[in-house]
Amino acid sequence: EAGVTQFPSHSVIEKGQTVTLRCDPISGHDNLYWYRRVMGKEIKFLLHFVKESKQDESGMPNNRFLAERTGGTYSTLKVQPAELEDSGVYFCASSQRRTANNEQFFGPGTRLTVL
Amino acid sequence: RKEVEQDPGPFNVPEGATVAFNCTYSNSASQSFFWYRQDCRKEPKLLMSVYSSGNEDGRFTAQLNRASQYISLLIRDSKLSDSATYLCVVGDRGSTLGRLYFGRGTQLTVWP
Repeated sequence: EAGVTQFPSHSVIEKGQTVTLRCDPISGHDNLYWYRRVMGKEIKFLLHFVKESKQDESGMPNNRFLAERTGGTYSTLKVQPAELEDSGVYFCASSQRRTANNEQFFGPGTRLTVL
Repeated sequence: RKEVEQDPGPFNVPEGATVAFNCTYSNSASQSFFWYRQDCRKEPKLLMSVYSSGNEDGRFTAQLNRASQYISLLIRDSKLSDSATYLCVVGDRGSTLGRLYFGRGTQLTVWP
């Protein structure tokens, strides 16, 4: 079974530019999560989709971040315009709709560098 | 106050040693508890869930103390391949919330 995939693996952009990250969850997983790790800090929650609906977006840092999951399959996270502090590793995770213990499977991450 | 606190280490131990990691969490309403393992520049991978009764998986034993809001991981007979960062993770398992809260991780290096 294919795991969670993310694209691109790395992205280097300049401040003020736009970047779009993509996540393909494990097939059949209704729950999709975005997390971020900035250097020196812990991994932090950004938002949670159940199918195409945003269940919890309280972790989104500001309105420069826009996440979508049209059709309830893959998701995109757009940062526009990017700022220096947006640099970090963005992880996507997915889980089944009914999970005994909220087990989430993580993708390899997108390493974003804003110059 | 951070949601999950853990000793960052690093822990440097010889092969065959026993090593223990601890963490504490601040939200008494937390419902799910895990240890994840993260290799350098890789994604976190679930090592084991942690249950109130304690659970064991081979050389790994996890314990949860809800009263003290304390989670532990014991690794026996350490192998070189155990070298990684171990993340203490706590989850809200409400009907709609599924977010996980991560500690900053404890770095383990096992040397030959």
